[in-house]
Amino acid sequence: DGGITQSPKYLFRKEGQNVTLSCEQNLNHDAMYWYRQDPGQGLRLIYYSQIVNDFQKGDIAEGYSVSREKKESFPLTVTSAQKNPTAFYLCASSIRRESSYEQYFGPGTRLTVT
Amino acid sequence: GQQLNQSPQSMFIQEGEDVSMNCTSSSIFNTWLWYKQDPGEGPVLLIALYKAGELTSNGRLTAQFGITRKDSFLNISASIPSDVGIYFCAGRGRRNGSSNTGKLIFGQGTTLQVKP
Repeated sequence: DGGITQSPKYLFRKEGQNVTLSCEQNLNHDAMYWYRQDPGQGLRLIYYSQIVNDFQKGDIAEGYSVSREKKESFPLTVTSAQKNPTAFYLCASSIRRESSYEQYFGPGTRLTVT
Repeated sequence: GQQLNQSPQSMFIQEGEDVSMNCTSSSIFNTWLWYKQDPGEGPVLLIALYKAGELTSNGRLTAQFGITRKDSFLNISASIPSDVGIYFCAGRGRRNGSSNTGKLIFGQGTTLQVKP
């Protein structure tokens, strides 16, 4: 089945540790995105990548880093510099085509930092 | 920057009732998307709209791209318990120069609860 997978579903870390969230897609989509969702709020864009080996900061990139070495994979690292890392993280992908901007989401990873 | 205002923030309705929610922007959008998010899951795309005035249905769901290009509406007819969740609108504004980033702006969501 084609889709987007995020692992793990739940992640717990101690404050001061870096943690990497996985996102893989087999939809052959060019673009991938990372969002953060806090309770009762909408989605805020952290980073996005339109092609392999290229990515851009979103609205809340501070304290996060990404890489895009393969088309299928777009891992997100939450660093110790992120002041409030506990949140629900969503990965999405889309075809990079002028007529289509539909983004498809993975199931999300809930990160808890104590 | 561009922002979307989504209303109402929450709704509590009786099973069988129709539901309406909307999204408005202070600037023009070229694309409107509607998503539904179940608790603890990722959003699922319901309807995509690409032309001003466009009216599109997906089962009991109907969405419209406003004529002014600054708003969009989602209607759910004859609600059922599984309609419970958070509904998000998302929009894409005009291209910035030659850039085509595919970035979307999301509304804050409308939480729908359905009483059997």
